[in-house]
Amino acid sequence: GAVVSQHPSRVICKSGTSVKIECRSLDFQATTMFWYRQFPKQSLMLMATSNEGSKATYEQGVEKDKFLINHASLTLSTLTVTSAHPEDSSFYICSALSGAALLYNEQFFGPGTRLTVL
Amino acid sequence: EDQVTQSPEALRLQEGESSSLNCSYTVSGLRGLFWYRQDPGKGPEFLFTLYSAGEEKEKERLKATLTKKESFLHITAPKPEDSATYLCAVIPNTGRRALTFGSGTRLQVQP
Repeated sequence: GAVVSQHPSRVICKSGTSVKIECRSLDFQATTMFWYRQFPKQSLMLMATSNEGSKATYEQGVEKDKFLINHASLTLSTLTVTSAHPEDSSFYICSALSGAALLYNEQFFGPGTRLTVL
Repeated sequence: EDQVTQSPEALRLQEGESSSLNCSYTVSGLRGLFWYRQDPGKGPEFLFTLYSAGEEKEKERLKATLTKKESFLHITAPKPEDSATYLCAVIPNTGRRALTFGSGTRLQVQP
């Protein structure tokens, strides 16, 4: 199957700092990428949909100015958590859809990034 | 609003003890229903996609089935390595391509 990587795998930062998380599709071109957040023992909640070359679409309740998403190329999307606070501590997971998608296709998920804000 | 409900929340089985996980969904036209496996601290791993009622798919000890209201993930003679959280998700037939996930079933298989 297709491979999606994320970097870093875990990050610890101080409150008030910004953190950038990268999501890369390694062996396919991804026209659409998704960013999810997962709290302990809970399911994945969609934060935003990222399309290459255009602005991201955010889910209701997700602050656009706090969670900056950039999808500058067909293989890379970044999520920047600005002025992070302890309540932003979570497991962030990206997924990607192949640009050569059939009518129906599955999303390929990255391994996730564990963010801890002190 | 699309909704996905999974049951049970947690399940403990003995090795070799077959069982089924349930995923009930409410969606404005189903484009696809997906099953994923997630190990602790990792991203979801794709298992199956089902598109229409009556469809079934199998992979090793796992078999997924679909009706108009729910999907089942049957686990036959499970092994300890099958221990994981199993997630069900749907995509509606509205053009939206993001997945709506259920809360998952945490499966533990004891030797």
